[in-house]
Amino acid sequence: GQQLNQSPQSMFIQEGEDVSMNCTSSSIFNTWLWYKQDPGEGPVLLIALYKAGELTSNGRLTAQFGITRKDSFLNISASIPSDVGIYFCAVRTGTASKLTFGTGTRLQVTL
Amino acid sequence: DTGVSQDPRHKITKRGQNVTFRCDPISEHNRLYWYRQTLGQGPEFLTYFQNEAQLEKSRLLSDRFSAERPKGSFSTLEIQRTEQGDSAMYLCASSLGLAGGVISDTQYFGPGTRLTVL
Repeated sequence: GQQLNQSPQSMFIQEGEDVSMNCTSSSIFNTWLWYKQDPGEGPVLLIALYKAGELTSNGRLTAQFGITRKDSFLNISASIPSDVGIYFCAVRTGTASKLTFGTGTRLQVTL
Repeated sequence: DTGVSQDPRHKITKRGQNVTFRCDPISEHNRLYWYRQTLGQGPEFLTYFQNEAQLEKSRLLSDRFSAERPKGSFSTLEIQRTEQGDSAMYLCASSLGLAGGVISDTQYFGPGTRLTVL
């Protein structure tokens, strides 16, 4: 089953607001990834984190790899309508580097 | 770079029928993955290929499921005797593998095939 818990499960925000979501695990992982999935499409990688404590930005997105290696958060600043979608955290495991995904945070933006 | 493509995008079938999906990875990507995503959940790993070798299979992959990557390029996923519980989005992803760096090997996903079993 899923090892990664994301919160919140869903959120409605107004355009222009900042958004924060997080992902926690009871296990330690060495890589944290954040993906976004639009309806009817596959997930798209937003940010990859490889080092505990690392803070990485990609445009209006900022993500941090927790110092305990058991959590990560994603912030979106000044949200816009195209930010709508489901955001998944993911970790890589095993020799195959297969991905384990979180439960997802559904973001909806109102004008 | 045309990205990962999957065919068909949608498939509706009756219970008990066999279905086959195709995935074309990004050119020169050595690794190919299949995931399954049910409504409201994140994708779950099914199986993984390094070139033409299937190196890992999830316990989710029952004996009704079979995957191949005969020439190390495209892959097919077949489900025999489909059941209603097989209804899901089937996602394919590819990555460079070791050539892309062990740590930073990024998986790129296709648009998925949505299967509905009636």
